[in-house]
Amino acid sequence: KAGVTQTPRYLIKTRGQQVTLSCSPISGHRSVSWYQQTPGQGLQFLFEYFSETQRNKGNFPGRFSGRQFSNSRSEMNVSTLELGDSALYLCASTPQGAAGANVLTFGAGSRLTVL
Amino acid sequence: GENVEQHPSTLSVQEGDSAVIKCTYSDSASNYFPWYKQELGKGPQLIIDIRSNVGEKKDQRIAVTLNKTAKHFSLHITETQPEDSAVYFCASLLNYQLIWGAGTKLIIKP
Repeated sequence: KAGVTQTPRYLIKTRGQQVTLSCSPISGHRSVSWYQQTPGQGLQFLFEYFSETQRNKGNFPGRFSGRQFSNSRSEMNVSTLELGDSALYLCASTPQGAAGANVLTFGAGSRLTVL
Repeated sequence: GENVEQHPSTLSVQEGDSAVIKCTYSDSASNYFPWYKQELGKGPQLIIDIRSNVGEKKDQRIAVTLNKTAKHFSLHITETQPEDSAVYFCASLLNYQLIWGAGTKLIIKP
């Protein structure tokens, strides 16, 4: 059974650019959530999608957005990149229901560096 | 809103000794407390969890205890091994959203 796949694994951007990250959940999992991980800050919740609808959103500016497709694959986009957006972006999937109430299966993450 | 504090940020123990990581939460309505382990280059993975109606849970060398009155929970690892070296995160669930601690880097010294 394939795990959660995130692409790309590493990327470098410059300030002001935008970036799109992709997440393919475990087959059959309908909930996808996104987290930002920075040293010393733990995991900060970005948003959760379930059946193509955003069900929950963290406290991030509108530059951070996401979407989910009918096959449960999800993308997140960050526009007008800032230096502080440099982080590991993690995606996690769960079979159904609220992501927080179920075991999260994480991908390996996409490491974004903003120069 | 809910806040989770995790201590220590770094813990170094001799192989074979025990390790204890502690977390405190602020909202008494929190009812689910998982622990995740993140190895280098990988995403976090659930290692044990506990619900608010239970005081302790064990799984081989790993145990979690919950004190609802004091609003804190702890991860206990006994007979530590080199493969236990990782970053450990605690979290609490409130209103269907997990709030995470900042993480503890556990170093196992040979």
